[in-house]
Amino acid sequence: EPEVTQTPSHQVTQMGQEVILRCVPISNHLYFYWYRQILGQKVEFLVSFYNNEISEKSEIFDDQFSVERPDGSNFTLKIRSTKLEDSAMYFCASSEQGRNTEAFFGQGTRLTVV
Amino acid sequence: DQQVKQNSPSLSVQEGRISILNCDYTNSMFDYFLWYKKYPAEGPTFLISISSIKDKNEDGRFTVFLNKSAKHLSLHIVPSQPGDSAVYFCAGGGTSYGKLTFGQGTILTVHP
Repeated sequence: EPEVTQTPSHQVTQMGQEVILRCVPISNHLYFYWYRQILGQKVEFLVSFYNNEISEKSEIFDDQFSVERPDGSNFTLKIRSTKLEDSAMYFCASSEQGRNTEAFFGQGTRLTVV
Repeated sequence: DQQVKQNSPSLSVQEGRISILNCDYTNSMFDYFLWYKKYPAEGPTFLISISSIKDKNEDGRFTVFLNKSAKHLSLHIVPSQPGDSAVYFCAGGGTSYGKLTFGQGTILTVHP
């Protein structure tokens, strides 16, 4: 069964460093997403990406964050200068369509900023 | 931002009985709703969805009910199995680009 894969599974970084989280969405999907879950809190939407551009983003997704689809298979989330409060599980997801369709999630990357 | 609320942080059920997980929403723009199941250290796994034009959708042991006037949905699992023990999230969607808004989750424990 096709699945969304994320690497690495766990990333530890020093405050102020840049990190790139990587995702390979399901191959025939057109919509891509990043969500995050801070420990003990709800899963929060960060950004959606369609047709090689950001289609929606939340207030969390500020100038420190960027997304890119550098080739036909990868989808990345970059955090330019990490802060302690960026520590969370980051989930990549993809869907065939944007509306009225389920999103399939990867297993997540645990980001720990020290 | 409390657009989707799951007021019960946990639910404990005996194997074979019915599990009922509840969810309330405030955003009238949601036009479809989804339930996801999540195990520790894994991503959410899609379970079942319902469009806002329907009031019920069934898939095997899982049934989702939507009451639009009350802005309430529920997930029924029957019969419950120990493997159903997980965190269950409801989510609302309503934009063209697929953004989902999640509730806080309910921890379901099914005892053998």
